[in-house]
Amino acid sequence: GIQVEQSPPDLILQEGANSTLRCNFSDSVNNLQWFHQNPWGQLINLFYIPSGTKQNGRLSATTVATERYSLLYISSSQTTDSGVYFCAVERTGNQFYFGTGTSLTVIP
Amino acid sequence: EAQVTQNPRYLITVTGKKLTVTCSQNMNHEYMSWYRQDPGLGLRQIYYSMNVEVTDKGDVPEGYKVSRKEKRNFPLILESPSPNQTSLYFCASSLSILNTEAFFGQGTRLTVV
Repeated sequence: GIQVEQSPPDLILQEGANSTLRCNFSDSVNNLQWFHQNPWGQLINLFYIPSGTKQNGRLSATTVATERYSLLYISSSQTTDSGVYFCAVERTGNQFYFGTGTSLTVIP
Repeated sequence: EAQVTQNPRYLITVTGKKLTVTCSQNMNHEYMSWYRQDPGLGLRQIYYSMNVEVTDKGDVPEGYKVSRKEKRNFPLILESPSPNQTSLYFCASSLSILNTEAFFGQGTRLTVV
C-alpha cells in the first residue's frame, strides 16, 4: 500500500493564528481528500483535491501531485477547528490509505 | 441532502451476539466500503463493494461479513462479535472507483464486552 505521512502530529494554536498541515505520500495517486474528525468522531469532508488548489472560507488546500504532497492551510483559527485532520489517498481504485493525522487544539 | 447514513451510532453488545450495522447512501453511488478506526492503527479497510452483488475483502476482513443486494445499502455483519472488534466503524461511498470524491457516514462506535 501507499505510505501517507502527516506533519506535524500535534499542533496547539492560539485562536486567530494561522497554520499549515502537510501530507506526503509515497506513490502517485488518483485521489486525495482532506477530512476533519470532530470531537464526536465524525469525518467531515474538507477537500477533494487530487491536484491544484481549492479554497473554502478560511480553509484552503494545495496538492502538488508530481511532488507527492498536499498542504492544508487554516487561517484565523477558531476553537471549533479543533480535532484531528486526516489526509487520505487512493491509488488502486479499491481503498483509501489514511495518514496518521494531525491533532489540532485551538485555545481561546 | 446527499448523505451516507449509518445505524446505530452507538452500540454496546456482548461477545457472540450477532449484530448488523446498516449503511445507506442516497447518491446512487456504485462504490461502497467499510473501515474501522483504532487508536495507533488509524483507519483500515474491512470490505468494499464495486457494485450490486460485487464485494471483496479489504485489509482486515476477519470476523466480518457484508452484502450488497441493492445499490443504496451495504450492511456490515458481525456473526459472533469479540472484544477485539470494539472500534469506531465508518461506511463510505463514492460514485465510482476512480477519481471521485468519497463521502463517509457519521460513524458507529461499537463496544463488545
